Amino acid sequence: DQQVKQNSPSLSVQEGRISILNCDYTNSMFDYFLWYKKYPAEGPTFLISISSIKDKNEDGRFTVFLNKSAKHLSLHIVPSQPGDSAVYFCAASASTGRRALTFGSGTRLQVQP
Amino acid sequence: DAGITQSPRYKITETGRQVTLMCHQTWSHSYMFWYRQDLGHGLRLIYYSAAADITDKGEVPDGYVVSRSKTENFPLTLESATRSQTSVYFCASRVAGDSYEQYFGPGTRLTVT
Repeated sequence: DQQVKQNSPSLSVQEGRISILNCDYTNSMFDYFLWYKKYPAEGPTFLISISSIKDKNEDGRFTVFLNKSAKHLSLHIVPSQPGDSAVYFCAASASTGRRALTFGSGTRLQVQP
Repeated sequence: DAGITQSPRYKITETGRQVTLMCHQTWSHSYMFWYRQDLGHGLRLIYYSAAADITDKGEVPDGYVVSRSKTENFPLTLESATRSQTSVYFCASRVAGDSYEQYFGPGTRLTVT
C-alpha cells in the first residue's frame, strides 16, 4: 500500500517547454513534502519543498504546488533544460514522530534538445 | 569536505554470506538513515538512528542489522544475504530539530548471487 504515488514512470518534454511532474498521497498525517532529483550512479539531491500551510513554493525555475483537499502535489519546471533530465522523487513526512520520509516510485524526466 | 560517503560503491556477494555496507558523514548530523531503492518502489526506509546508540526499524528491516557506536558512522549489515536483497542502498543524514531535508550518499549497488 503505497502512501506516496507517482503514477507516471516517465515523461518526455522539449527543451524550453514546461515539465509537470505529479504526486499523490493518501496519508492525512503528511504535512511536509519534498522533491528530490537523482542522476544515474548518484544519490538523490534535495530540490524543493513545501509545507502544508502553503499551496505554492517557488525557487527559480522550479515551483511546487500543493492541493491538500485532493492530496496532490506537482512540480513545475519552466523552462525545461537538457540538464534537468533525471529521475524525480516525491517524498512526504509528518511533523509528529521521527519525520522519516516516505518516497514515491519516481518519474524519469527526459528533456529533448 | 566529503559530506556523506558510502563504501563499497559496488559489491557482489553470494547467498548466505554476511556483508556490511559502510556509511560515514562529516557533518555531525544527529539522524542517519538507510534506504534501499528498487524498481517500482522508490526508496524504502530500512533503519534509522536518531543519535549514537539509538536505532529503530523502518519499513523493511527484516534481514538487516544496524549499529551506531559513533555519531559519524552508521553501518548496515546483511547477516545472511538473500537474492531479494539485491538492490541499491542509500545512506542519508539530517540535522536534529525542525529540518526535514535529508542528505544522501552516492549509494552502494549490491548484487547477491
